[in-house]
Amino acid sequence: AQSVTQPDIHITVSEGASLELRCNYSYGATPYLFWYVQSPGQGLQLLLKYFSGDTLVQGIKGFEAEFKRSQSSFNLRKPSVHWSDAAEYFCAVGASGGFKTIFGAGTRLFVKA
Amino acid sequence: NAGVTQTPKFQVLKTGQSMTLQCAQDMNHEYMSWYRQDPGMGLRLIHYSVGAGITDQGEVPNGYNVSRSTTEDFPLRLLSAAPSQTSVYFCASRAKPTEKHYGYTFGSGTRLTVV
Repeated sequence: AQSVTQPDIHITVSEGASLELRCNYSYGATPYLFWYVQSPGQGLQLLLKYFSGDTLVQGIKGFEAEFKRSQSSFNLRKPSVHWSDAAEYFCAVGASGGFKTIFGAGTRLFVKA
Repeated sequence: NAGVTQTPKFQVLKTGQSMTLQCAQDMNHEYMSWYRQDPGMGLRLIHYSVGAGITDQGEVPNGYNVSRSTTEDFPLRLLSAAPSQTSVYFCASRAKPTEKHYGYTFGSGTRLTVV
């Protein structure tokens, strides 16, 4: 069965510092992997996705993520965090061509000045 | 603007009442889903649909019904509300899965409280 684990419930980083949010997944075949961001009171917005090919994928707002099959991970990174990046981030896994996308529990990012 | 529209944004129900959460999209997406979001649990899939007339259960379907009579609309019905259904509900849609068009578009959510 598909599952997604985000080990960190919340993370605090200083503005301008680098960021890495962790995501581990469980899936029997090659997964489709996603990161979404949710600002307070809003729905989720897709940041980036991985299907195949280059394991380092670029997304919107300066985010990138790296797929590591050997570690079953898909960590999200940003070189320099801005105060506007404070939000909740969700990692998700979807079956190839399938209908069900399963989400992790989320990591809340706090940015301090 | 194109997107997913959910109504109402807020709702308070008494235990045992029924209601329908509305969801409409104007992007001609075939796939639509309902999720509920609870603190510390992320989003859990309630029901989904892959086209008009076709629906199926997700992870937590009990207490909810759906139907899909048109491509645009995917209402979620609570049959007899219970306090455990207090949550934020999100409707999402997407086109048929291709590498270019796989990500979901989410509505802004309905915050439901059952007392």
